Amino acid sequence: QLQLQESGPGLVKPSETLSLTCTVSGGSISSSSYYWGWIRQPPGKGLEWIGSIYYSGSTYYNPSLKSRVTISVDTSKNQFSLKLSSVTAADTAVYYCARHPARSTIWWDWGQGTLVTVSS
Amino acid sequence: EIVMTQSPATLSVSPGERATLSCRASQSVSSNLAWYQQKPGQAPRLLIYGASTRATGIPARFSGSGSGTEFTLTISSLQSEDFAVYYCQQYNNWPPELTFGGGTKVEIK
Repeated sequence: QLQLQESGPGLVKPSETLSLTCTVSGGSISSSSYYWGWIRQPPGKGLEWIGSIYYSGSTYYNPSLKSRVTISVDTSKNQFSLKLSSVTAADTAVYYCARHPARSTIWWDWGQGTLVTVSS
Repeated sequence: EIVMTQSPATLSVSPGERATLSCRASQSVSSNLAWYQQKPGQAPRLLIYGASTRATGIPARFSGSGSGTEFTLTISSLQSEDFAVYYCQQYNNWPPELTFGGGTKVEIK
């Protein structure tokens, strides 16, 4: 059974870069059938797509975050990662990694999520 | 950007009753609409995709309908485990330009 697990610092200072990694188990990140992505949820609020990546490294980003986001993949470790630069308090959220089929952003599988707080 | 609007924001329902949740798109998304359920402290779970197809393991009391800009999620007889927040999401375009609705909280009346 596929499992996704987010990891990374729970506290980031304003203006710094948020970095998270998602480790995939029970399946290969190199599958040609899927994209891997990040979604976030500020406390008490709704869901926001951040971006998606294919095992080849092809990426798509939410236009509203594109200037600050980098998503990368490490197939040798079965992991993909998120970097969000110049963070502010508005970036405080639970960050989820998840999987969707190629060419269809239906989110079938999700990690449990990790809370990242931006504060000095 | 396609804006997804869900109503009502909160729905108070008694166990065993029917719940009807609405989702409206600012422009047509055909049948490219999914519904998710989220319980406190948990990740969202896919319920419905293609506007009306239940995901694996989803009980038959959950049903979706609609196309174009108007969609409905119906829970035919609410069980205790169904009290949660429900989100709709459109996935009409590729490259992806997906957007989520603001959510409907289904609470116990």
